[in-house]
Amino acid sequence: GAGVSQTPSNKVTEKGKYVELRCDPISGHTALYWYRQSLGQGPEFLIYFQGTGAADDSGLPNDRFFAVRPEGSVSTLKIQRTERGDSAVYLCASSPWGGLTEAFFGQGTRLTVV
Amino acid sequence: QKEVEQDPGPLSVPEGAIVSLNCTYSNSAFQYFMWYRQYSRKGPELLMYTYSSGNKEDGRFTAQVDKSSKYISLFIRDSQPSDSATYLCAMRDQAGTALIFGKGTTLSVSS
Repeated sequence: GAGVSQTPSNKVTEKGKYVELRCDPISGHTALYWYRQSLGQGPEFLIYFQGTGAADDSGLPNDRFFAVRPEGSVSTLKIQRTERGDSAVYLCASSPWGGLTEAFFGQGTRLTVV
Repeated sequence: QKEVEQDPGPLSVPEGAIVSLNCTYSNSAFQYFMWYRQYSRKGPELLMYTYSSGNKEDGRFTAQVDKSSKYISLFIRDSQPSDSATYLCAMRDQAGTALIFGKGTTLSVSS
C-alpha cells in the first residue's frame, strides 16, 4: 500500500481516557499534517510537521492535544482526558516537501468519546 | 463570519447535468485555491488546484477563481453517478501552512 495509513480506523473511548492515533505517511514524504473533521464540517487544521519538528501547531485546540513525529516518518496524535467534544474524524495528510497541492490524505480515524 | 463559506446542500441532479459548486471567502490574502472530493468514510482527494485568479480545466471539471469578488467555483460537466460525493473547497495564503476548508457540499447524481 503506497497511501497514507491511519490506525485505528475507529476508536471508541470513555470520557477522561487517553488515546493515541497513528499516521503512517507515504514513504519519503517530509511534510505531515493532522486535521480534525467534525460531522457536517470541513477539516480543521491541527498541526504541521516538517521532518521531525512541529513547524506549526497553531491549530491544536488546547494542551490536552499533542503530536509527535520522532523519526520524521510515523506520527502519533495524543489526546489526554478526552471529552465528548473531541469526537470527530482525525485526518492525516503527507506531502513530499510541504506543498499542500501534493498532499495525500489518509482515510481518517473516527474517534467517538462516550 | 467564517473565513470560507460553502453551502452544504444537499444538491441532487440527474445524470448528465452540469453542476456548479461555489465558495465565498473573506481573506483577500488567499492565493491558493483547491477543490477536494470526499467519498463517504474516506479522506479528501485533491481534484483541482488554482493559483490566484483565472480558470483551469481538467476533463469534465473546471475551476474558476474570481479574486475581485472573493468567489470560487467548480463546474462538473456531464455529471455521473460516480461523482456523488462531498466537495470541499480549500484555500490558503502565500505563507500559510494550513488549508482553510469550507464545510463541503454534498452532491448526489442519479442515473
